[in-house]
Amino acid sequence: AQSVTQLDSHVSVSEGTPVLLRCNYSSSYSPSLFWYVQHPNKGLQLLLKYTSAATLVKGINGFEAEFKKSETSFHLTKPSAHMSDAAEYFCVVSDRAAGGGNKLTFGTGTQLKVEL
Amino acid sequence: DAGVIQSPRHEVTEMGQEVTLRCKPISGHDYLFWYRQTMMRGLELLIYFNNNVPIDDSGMPEDRFSAKMPNASFSTLKIQPSEPRDSAVYFCASSRDSGNTIYFGEGSWLTVV
Repeated sequence: AQSVTQLDSHVSVSEGTPVLLRCNYSSSYSPSLFWYVQHPNKGLQLLLKYTSAATLVKGINGFEAEFKKSETSFHLTKPSAHMSDAAEYFCVVSDRAAGGGNKLTFGTGTQLKVEL
Repeated sequence: DAGVIQSPRHEVTEMGQEVTLRCKPISGHDYLFWYRQTMMRGLELLIYFNNNVPIDDSGMPEDRFSAKMPNASFSTLKIQPSEPRDSAVYFCASSRDSGNTIYFGEGSWLTVV
C-alpha cells in the first residue's frame, strides 16, 4: 500500500523568501513521485516528477524537489517566492495498479500563502 | 495540444436530477481517469480506463454513479439520481501509457441543491 503525508496544511511566506513544502511517502515499491499545483478554480498542473533518475528534480517556475530514500521524503522548494506562487500544492505518489496503469495517491494538500 | 477538455465547467442541479459530465482526453492517451475533489475527502480516484475498458471502479461511491468510455476520445460520468452530498469538483485526467505523467482537465464544478 502507498501513502503520502504532507506535513503542513498551510504555509505562509513573504515574497522573495524561500519556500519549503514538506512531503513524506510510503510505498511498497520504488515509487514515482509528483508535485502538482492547483490555483483557485483551476485544475491540477504538474510541477515536477521523480521517476528513479536523478534524485534532485527541477520543475517549472523555479521549483525543485529532492528525493531522499533514507528519509522517505520528497520536499518541494523554491529559492524565492513570488506572489503568483500562492496556490494549493499536492504531493502525489504513484504505484502500478491493476491493468498496468498508474494509481495516484494524493496528499491532503498544502495551501501556500505569499505575503508582500 | 488542447489538453484534457471537460464539460460542463459548472453545473447547478436539483436533487434527484440526472447529471452527466463529459471528458475528452488528450489525443493518443491510453488511460483516462475520473477523480472527485471535496473539502472533506480531498482527491479521490473514482474509476480509470485503459484503451476504453474500465479497469478499476473500486472508487465509485455507489450504484448511482456510472462511467462509460465509448471511444478513445470521449468519456462520461453520470450520476442518477443526484444528491447534495455529490457536490464536488470532478476532474478527468489522461496519460499516454503506464508510468507516464497524468494530465488533468480544469474540472467540472457540480452543485446539487
